[in-house]
Amino acid sequence: GAGVSQSPRYKVAKRGQDVALRCDPISGHVSLFWYQQALGQGPEFLTYFQNEAQLDKSGLPSDRFFAERPEGSVSTLKIQRTQQEDSAVYLCASSPGGNEQFFGPGTRLTVL
Amino acid sequence: KQEVTQIPAALSVPEGENLVLNCSFTDSAIYNLQWFRQDPGKGLTSLLLIQSSQREQTSGRLNASLDKSSGRSTLYIAASQPGDSATYLCAALSGYSTLTFGKGTMLLVSP
Repeated sequence: GAGVSQSPRYKVAKRGQDVALRCDPISGHVSLFWYQQALGQGPEFLTYFQNEAQLDKSGLPSDRFFAERPEGSVSTLKIQRTQQEDSAVYLCASSPGGNEQFFGPGTRLTVL
Repeated sequence: KQEVTQIPAALSVPEGENLVLNCSFTDSAIYNLQWFRQDPGKGLTSLLLIQSSQREQTSGRLNASLDKSSGRSTLYIAASQPGDSATYLCAALSGYSTLTFGKGTMLLVSP
């Protein structure tokens, strides 16, 4: 496909479980971003990669959140010991290096 | 820290009306201002991107303006249609690559 894809689209986890969310950016896009969108809110920045380097992780809410992009393409956002407040839509975006970001459909995480 | 505010939070109009959505930002040192559309349960679709050196951008029935000095942007939708019903988000690009979003305006266009 030509756009950003994310999987799974929906994830239900029991409190305390670990989850992994995947993002496939547009081919050739250098930059990759993760955002968290709580219900009724705008997306909030989590972390940013340029190729495989994580240049900014200031938005990650706690040390339970970890993101990687080992080969500069696919990225995984991992949340350990999930809590109810982690319930949100997690959006991934990629950019060719310019100003415009292209978003995926998101993964809706529900923690019970 | 950049803060983005959108007014109104929700808007309901009959089909055919022209409407304006407002966005304000606190830090005028932005690279661009982007307007997105979000349908329920979906991701973000980019509508218009205005570079910091530009004053406005147009695409079809949509027109977005940017006034950096006053920290404001508006999205004008002409001749609204039921298919325009969605949440509209504005986002300011600051720093090197970080988008700061508003909370959005939920638009309902009734037939």
